[in-house]
Amino acid sequence: DGGITQSPKYLFRKEGQNVTLSCEQNLNHDAMYWYRQDPGQGLRLIYYSQIVNDFQKGDIAEGYSVSREKKESFPLTVTSAQKNPTAFYLCASSIATAAQYFGPGTRLTVL
Amino acid sequence: QKEVEQNSGPLSVPEGAIASLNCTYSDRGSQSFFWYRQYSGKSPELIMFIYSNGDKEDGRFTAQLNKASQYVSLLIRDSQPSDSATYLCAGGIASGGSYIPTFGRGTSLIVHP
Repeated sequence: DGGITQSPKYLFRKEGQNVTLSCEQNLNHDAMYWYRQDPGQGLRLIYYSQIVNDFQKGDIAEGYSVSREKKESFPLTVTSAQKNPTAFYLCASSIATAAQYFGPGTRLTVL
Repeated sequence: QKEVEQNSGPLSVPEGAIASLNCTYSDRGSQSFFWYRQYSGKSPELIMFIYSNGDKEDGRFTAQLNKASQYVSLLIRDSQPSDSATYLCAGGIASGGSYIPTFGRGTSLIVHP
């Protein structure tokens, strides 16, 4: 089955700790995206990548980092510089200007 | 600042009625519009997309786009309790071969039996 997977489903971070969220897709999509969603809020774009080894900052990139070494993978690291990381993180992919397809999400909580 | 505005609701409709969800956008350059359904605690699921002025129908769903007035709407006919969810509207521009959307905050729909 083609789709997008994210892991883990739930993640807990301690103060000062960096954590990495995984996102993998087998849809052969060129573009991948990371969003953050807070309760009652819309989706805010963190980073996006159109091709391998290239990515751009979205609206709220501070405190986050990404890599795109493979077409299928777009991991997101939440660094200790992100002071309020508790949120629902969503990864998506798309073909160029087509619709985005979302993974199941990772719920991150700061302890 | 590109914005997509939606009434947060909740919009409450009886089962079998037509639910009408609306969205306005500020960027006249927006080319593509998408409607996503998001159940509580789950990720968004694409249900409709529209690029051209007018109506587009898919089963019980109809998307309507009016670029002159800068609004997009989603009609759900014969609403069912299973349609109860938050509906996100997204609009955006193609940039460098990729589509960079702006999402609204979503409208909560409740369909009661």
